[in-house]
Amino acid sequence: NAGVTQTPKFQVLKTGQSMTLQCAQDMNHNSMYWYRQDPGMGLRLIYYSASEGTTDKGEVPNGYNVSRLNKREFSLRLESAAPSQTSVYFCASRKSGTAYEQYFGPGTRLTVT
Amino acid sequence: GIQVEQSPPDLILQEGANSTLRCNFSDSVNNLQWFHQNPWGQLINLFYIPSGTKQNGRLSATTVATERYSLLYISSSQTTDSGVYFCAVLNNAGNMLTFGGGTRLMVKP
Repeated sequence: NAGVTQTPKFQVLKTGQSMTLQCAQDMNHNSMYWYRQDPGMGLRLIYYSASEGTTDKGEVPNGYNVSRLNKREFSLRLESAAPSQTSVYFCASRKSGTAYEQYFGPGTRLTVT
Repeated sequence: GIQVEQSPPDLILQEGANSTLRCNFSDSVNNLQWFHQNPWGQLINLFYIPSGTKQNGRLSATTVATERYSLLYISSSQTTDSGVYFCAVLNNAGNMLTFGGGTRLMVKP
């Protein structure tokens, strides 16, 4: 099993450009999450999807949209990138119900100039 | 929301030394996880420990949920233990993992 995979690994954008970060998991997990990590800080939740077909805002959703494409895939879109969105983005998944442990992907390092 | 505080923020050890990292949280929680973020940025699951004590090799963790804290013990530290250690707690609704600020550990040879 590959676990949680993310693409791309690195990306540089200019202010105002758009892009989509991709995440996929092969563990048959129901819930998926997007976090961002700014330098020297812990991770903060952007959006999550408790199950296929549902999405909800987390702590810092402004400037982002998400799509739960199917059970395996959960994408994060920046419509008009801003320098404040320079960060490392992590995707995570967990099984469901009382199986609370989350598993993280390797991250995408995004720089907006 | 839940507040999560970790201490110390920075720690420098000589190889072979032991250490204790602490995580305090402000409310009752459903779950607590400890992670190691290695120098390449990868987040590695160490423990899923809502209560009680668990051990994995040189690492062990204890969570006392009623007193709202968790401890991570590292014994006989090695240079490969360097990196940032995060604790994260899950709210009672089960939908949001809140991370502490981390403890940055450097183990010197």
